[in-house]
Amino acid sequence: DIQLTQSPSFLSASVGDRVTVTCRASQGINTYLAWYQQKPGKAPKLLIYAASTLQSGVPSRFSGSTSGTEFILTISNLQPEDFATYYCQQFHSYPYTFGQGTKLEIK
Amino acid sequence: EVQLEESGGGLVQRGGSLRLSCAASGFTFSNYAMSWVRQAPGMGLEWVSGISGSGVNTYYADSVKGRFTVSRDNSKSSLFLQMNSLRGEDTAVYYCARRTFLYDSSGSPPHHWLDPWGQGTLVTVSS
Repeated sequence: DIQLTQSPSFLSASVGDRVTVTCRASQGINTYLAWYQQKPGKAPKLLIYAASTLQSGVPSRFSGSTSGTEFILTISNLQPEDFATYYCQQFHSYPYTFGQGTKLEIK
Repeated sequence: EVQLEESGGGLVQRGGSLRLSCAASGFTFSNYAMSWVRQAPGMGLEWVSGISGSGVNTYYADSVKGRFTVSRDNSKSSLFLQMNSLRGEDTAVYYCARRTFLYDSSGSPPHHWLDPWGQGTLVTVSS
């Protein structure tokens, strides 16, 4: 199975900051990766698919990039509604594993 | 509007069984593979199972293989998860989600992602 290692597990930042979350795959997965945002008590919400394509309706301050087996989610100009938990998920092969999550908290 | 709605969760004893359902609307259900994803209290997301649009191909996480069975009824736009031999570690909110796809110009296999998701249904396994 493909393992996804997310870092950091916790991130503290302020409104207006720029933050990055990294997701490393245990083997090559091309760009078959998605990013989700989850708020407490809610279902996950798709942010980015194909590693760097922004889902319709998602603010442009969210972006995704990749270098080999490393995938990066960047959030620029943090807004109060961005404080949540973020997950990556690979779609290269079943089982479609998730990263362990990154909780973004207000500093 | 594309919607998914889970049902069937509840309290069950360890070793018992439960069947979850997911009602889909707003899209041609048979054209899409579907997945079940769960989240234990205070924990991260865990992909549990997937099924092709036709229902012929099914996939499972090692943690549930041999105990859970995914199925679908395309005539009723419904997805199911039969859970047997339930354990304490199966306690979680269970979400159904549509596997959406996109082909690009490269000729490579399509990109996939899960969207939308249902609101989830809570399964609690008591000892």
